[in-house]
Order: sequence, then structure tokens, then C-alpha cells
Amino acid sequence: ETGVTQTPRHLVMGMTNKKSLKCEQHLGHNAMYWYKQSAKKPLELMFVYNFKEQTENNSVPSRFSPECPNSSHLFLHLHTLQPEDSALYLCASSQDVEAGYEQYFGPGTRLTVT
Amino acid sequence: GQQVMQIPQYQHVQEGEDFTTYCNSSTTLSNIQWYKQRPGGHPVFLIQLVKSGEVKKQKRLTFQFGEAKKNSSLHITATQTTDVGTYFCAGLTSGTYKYIFGTGTRLKVLA
Repeated sequence: ETGVTQTPRHLVMGMTNKKSLKCEQHLGHNAMYWYKQSAKKPLELMFVYNFKEQTENNSVPSRFSPECPNSSHLFLHLHTLQPEDSALYLCASSQDVEAGYEQYFGPGTRLTVT
Repeated sequence: GQQVMQIPQYQHVQEGEDFTTYCNSSTTLSNIQWYKQRPGGHPVFLIQLVKSGEVKKQKRLTFQFGEAKKNSSLHITATQTTDVGTYFCAGLTSGTYKYIFGTGTRLKVLA
């Protein structure tokens, strides 16, 4: 247990569905991240939030919409996804975005788009 | 854009043999972190290097940051089956909040 939880752990959705991924951290951290991990590709940073404010959007398609209502919670809203969006989506948190604090990862949500 | 490459992509070793993975960035880094991801698991932080030429050790693991702060290595002495997993480096460029993860090296240890 790293103090970062993600729900659901597995999700199968059609291309016309709308779903949301949830991440919660119990570590008192100020920064939260969404990563995408596909087979045979490195971890891709999607979004960074620091003190609830988005500090990084790594050219992510608009069918992925993040939401950070407070420093402990992070959501990723999904709509009209494509099969190539199937991947492991990892949430992480760190004390701060600066000065290289270590990131604590959640267990991930395995997403399959049919 | 910035890239972080790791070699080798895969490595199979006999238990007891040594293992090294190398991380190379296209740009100078302010710091570099190393993570381990067990099969079916999530990345777990191992260590962070900040200074040019820095060397850190954790039991059988030795981490090194290059003098130019563009490359790094992780060396495992006398591998054990518990070392199985994928090792990632992640580099941070000054002035950004964006860690760029390397392509990873998947280690398999044969008993």
C-alpha cells in the first residue's frame, strides 16, 4: 500500500460510453499526476496538478478530461475513447512538483476500450 | 522533444549474475529518479540523484549520475529472483514539472 488508491481497478467501456477514473491520496501531498502506460511504450505523463491547479497538460486529446476538486482527489473523465486508448492508467502523488520529490503511484486502472 | 532512452530493453540473467541498465537523456537533467515495477504492479520509487557524478548505493544496487547529468546507470550485484521487474529512470529538466520516463529495462532472473 502506497497511500494512493484508484478505482475502478478494471474498466471495459465502449467507444460511446462516458466513464470516470478516480484517484485518492492519503499522504497529504500537494501534487497529483495522471500517467498512461501502454504495452511496449514508456510511461506517458498526461496531466499534473499542484495545489489543485493544472500545471501540465501533455498534449492530451480532449476526450480525456481531468478534474482535481482538492489536493487529495483526482479524476479522469473519459468520453468517446478509441481502442488505442486501452492501457493502464496510473495516478501518482508527490509532496510538491518542484525539487524532485518522489512520486507514489497507485495500483492503476486497467482500461479496455471495445 | 526530450527523450530518455534505456538500454537494454530486456535482460535475462542467471541468479547470482550482475545486471546493469543505462539511461540516456537528450537534454541535461536537474535530477533523475529510478523506479521498479514488478510484473502486474505499479512503479515504486527507488532513489533520486541530483549532483553531477553522484553515486548512491542501496544494498546490492548502485546508482550513478553522469558528470554531464545526461545519463545514469543502475547496477545490481549478484541478482536474486526478487529483482525481477522493469526498471525505469525518470528525468526532470530544470524549469519544468514534467518527469520524462525512460523506456524501461525488463529484468528476468533465472533460478
